[in-house]
Amino acid sequence: GQNIDQPTEMTATEGAIVQINCTYQTSGFNGLFWYQQHAGEAPTFLSYNVLDGLEEKGRFSSFLSRSKGYSYLLLKELQMKDSASYLCAVRASPAYNTDKLIFGTGTRLQVFP
Amino acid sequence: EPEVTQTPSHQVTQMGQEVILRCVPISNHLYFYWYRQILGQKVEFLVSFYNNEISEKSEIFDDQFSVERPDGSNFTLKIRSTKLEDSAMYFCASRGTYLNTGANVLTFGAGSRLTVL
Repeated sequence: GQNIDQPTEMTATEGAIVQINCTYQTSGFNGLFWYQQHAGEAPTFLSYNVLDGLEEKGRFSSFLSRSKGYSYLLLKELQMKDSASYLCAVRASPAYNTDKLIFGTGTRLQVFP
Repeated sequence: EPEVTQTPSHQVTQMGQEVILRCVPISNHLYFYWYRQILGQKVEFLVSFYNNEISEKSEIFDDQFSVERPDGSNFTLKIRSTKLEDSAMYFCASRGTYLNTGANVLTFGAGSRLTVL
């Protein structure tokens, strides 16, 4: 089966660092994505990992370990506007012309002043 | 920044009625998708579309669903006879080819909220 697990909710304070974990068991693996979703809005792309290691992009970093089926999203210098749901998604299809993403339930992050 | 646009933003319909949700993908993208998100649940894949045909579909995408690219810009999702459980936010997404930078990334539209009464 296909399963992606992430914590349901997290809280943090402005200026802090938070790490959102994601573990996955899928029948194939062709990349892991992190999306940010504000309530009632579209998911917006944050990061993509296909090889092991850390990808850094400003205040956001994402890490992948394929052997452990594990990823995390690290958010630094938290701002109030970072309050949102963070979706972990795995592309399980090996075919180049399909892009089926399997999403986790999302982690709702609340940032407090 | 290029974006995927969807209409309507919200549609209310009676059970058994047909609904068409419309999407205008990013202009140079070739791969198109529909996903849905039932309130409080995860985003779920419905269908992918490339070269004027369905390339993959999920178990959710049964005979009541169909997709079409009627012209060079629109991509539509039709639900033939809506059921209560079809109530959800429907997201259209598109991406470019592997020849382009960032081609792995799906860009999502703002969604069409469907409420079936």
